[in-house]
Amino acid sequence: DAGVTQSPTHLIKTRGQQVTLRCSPKSGHDTVSWYQQALGQGPQFIFQYYEEEERQRGNFPDRFSGHQFPNYSSELNVNALLLGDSALYLCASSLDRTGSGEQYFGPGTRLTVT
Amino acid sequence: AQKITQTQPGMFVQEKEAVTLDCTYDTSDPSYGLFWYKQPSSGEMIFLIYQGSYDQQNATEGRYSLNFQKARKSANLVISASQLGDSAMYFCALDNFNKFYFGSGTKLNVKP
Repeated sequence: DAGVTQSPTHLIKTRGQQVTLRCSPKSGHDTVSWYQQALGQGPQFIFQYYEEEERQRGNFPDRFSGHQFPNYSSELNVNALLLGDSALYLCASSLDRTGSGEQYFGPGTRLTVT
Repeated sequence: AQKITQTQPGMFVQEKEAVTLDCTYDTSDPSYGLFWYKQPSSGEMIFLIYQGSYDQQNATEGRYSLNFQKARKSANLVISASQLGDSAMYFCALDNFNKFYFGSGTKLNVKP
């Protein structure tokens, strides 16, 4: 049973460029959340996707957008990259139910913006 | 407003002893969930334990237990019989209607 997978593992981009990160949820999970974790800090919630819709969003600008596909996999897109976007981007999947649910995290994508 | 507060940036514990990691939270909603995650130096977040706001009993998972004090809005993690492999960052998190808030973490070092 495959867990949450993310690609790529590492990525180096230049300021102003755009980037797409990918996430495949754990088998049987239908909900995907994305987080940004800067060095030495806790993860910051970007948004959550369920039924191909953005269900919740954290305090991130519109440069951060996402998508969920019918197979529940998801993409995170960041436009007009800034140096401050350098971070570990974590994807987490869960099975939706009334109330909260345990999330399983992927290994993350390390994004460096130069 | 900060939703999750972890006031211990770093902790030391002797191997085989118990340790408590503190976490307080802030929400006015009656329905929420509280989580603890472990993040080793490899970077992957590992789920440890979950407590729902309506759960009557404190959650336990093996050597991990969650000391849930609802009136004080605290959800401390207790690790019994610490092992060297427990050395890692530990994060407390609040799930508030599918919006998740993580604390700044506590770095635990287990000494042999």
